[in-house]
Amino acid sequence: DTGVSQNPRHKITKRGQNVTFRCDPISEHNRLYWYRQTLGQGPEFLTYFQNEAQLEKSRLLSDRFSAERPKGSFSTLEIQRTEQGDSAMYLCASTEEGIREAFFGQGTRLTVV
Amino acid sequence: AQSVTQLDSHVSVSEGTPVLLRCNYSSSYSPSLFWYVQHPNKGLQLLLKYTSAATLVKGINGFEAEFKKSETSFHLTKPSAHMSDAAEYFCVAYSGGGADGLTFGKGTHLIIQP
Repeated sequence: DTGVSQNPRHKITKRGQNVTFRCDPISEHNRLYWYRQTLGQGPEFLTYFQNEAQLEKSRLLSDRFSAERPKGSFSTLEIQRTEQGDSAMYLCASTEEGIREAFFGQGTRLTVV
Repeated sequence: AQSVTQLDSHVSVSEGTPVLLRCNYSSSYSPSLFWYVQHPNKGLQLLLKYTSAATLVKGINGFEAEFKKSETSFHLTKPSAHMSDAAEYFCVAYSGGGADGLTFGKGTHLIIQP
């Protein structure tokens, strides 16, 4: 499969717990984006990587959020001490320079109870 | 800077009638433009894309869109709506890396009346 893969697809967690999501981009794509989409809203930019470097971060990304992309391949998004407001769909996209489109994963739906 | 404006937050049509979802963009570059559909609790599904080739683009499920540079528009159309078309639709512009490189419109909720 050569598409963008996100795991898990669904996650239910209790408030205060930590969660980690994974995004596997298309092989050799050097650009990777994370977005968050709350119910009834459009996706909002969270952060952007070029290779292993996290070049941009939205103000939406509070101190409880951290994203990494070791070795410039897969990426992880961790949320510490989850709150009910973190309940959302988390989307990942990848692309590379010279390609005129980005490819999205199916998303991870987080529910904080 | 880059922005995408979807002119209607909701569009309601009767089954079997034409659909028009409007999208305008603003960009310092020549972006690629996309339409995605999202059904409830699902991920984004690519409907069609414009990446600098033909300005009239045909997509899946009978949808098409026309890129008009002079009007900075990329409106989505379908000749005859089907009940299964009821969903949220997003217009997206891509012009490169960074927070502004991949920009979403706010979405249009398409309602199909029987």
